[in-house]
Amino acid sequence: AQSVTQPDARVTVSEGASLQLRCKYSYSGTPYLFWYVQYPRQGLQLLLKYYSGDPVVQGVNGFEAEFIKSNSSFHLRKASVHWSDSAVYFCAVRDNVGDNSKLIWGLGTSLVVNP
Amino acid sequence: EAGVTQSPRYAVLQEGQAVSFWCDPISGHDTLYWYQQPRDQGPQLLVYFRDEAVIDNSQLPSDRFSAVRPKGTNSTLKIQSAKQGDTATYLCASSFRGAHERLFFGHGTKLSVL
Repeated sequence: AQSVTQPDARVTVSEGASLQLRCKYSYSGTPYLFWYVQYPRQGLQLLLKYYSGDPVVQGVNGFEAEFIKSNSSFHLRKASVHWSDSAVYFCAVRDNVGDNSKLIWGLGTSLVVNP
Repeated sequence: EAGVTQSPRYAVLQEGQAVSFWCDPISGHDTLYWYQQPRDQGPQLLVYFRDEAVIDNSQLPSDRFSAVRPKGTNSTLKIQSAKQGDTATYLCASSFRGAHERLFFGHGTKLSVL
């Protein structure tokens, strides 16, 4: 079955430190992968997506993610975090079902950035 | 540009009561989704529409949940007889021309069933 695993429920880092949030997926075809972010008291927002091509994709606010097919991973990275990056981050894969599709979501990783 | 609007923001019910959630998508978005997000979990798709047609409602508990989008714009999700297990945040999202290419989410309705 298609699935997304985010092994870290909570990650705490200091402001200015680098960040990696882990995501592993299980999908039988070519994966379309997404990272969404949920800031406090706001709706989910798309950070970045990968469909094909360069395995390193750039997103908003300095985030990037790397698709590694051999490892079935799509980890999110940022070189230097800011306190405003504190939020819940979700990884998702698109599951194509016939002519339609839906997103399969991970459980999310809560990021806490200490000033 | 206005975002996805949901109401109410919060709802507290006793078991057995009914509740309706309302969603106004971004203007021009033909696809509308309803998700259920239990605490500390990712969103789980309940149903989605393209215009007024239901595309996938396979995860909607049809005995108590219903969803409509009669004119292909606003949508209502209703729970007829709420259970404690329905406690969750209900998210509405919309997108343009293509299922799940880029979703725009509302703030959600946080439901507590006592």
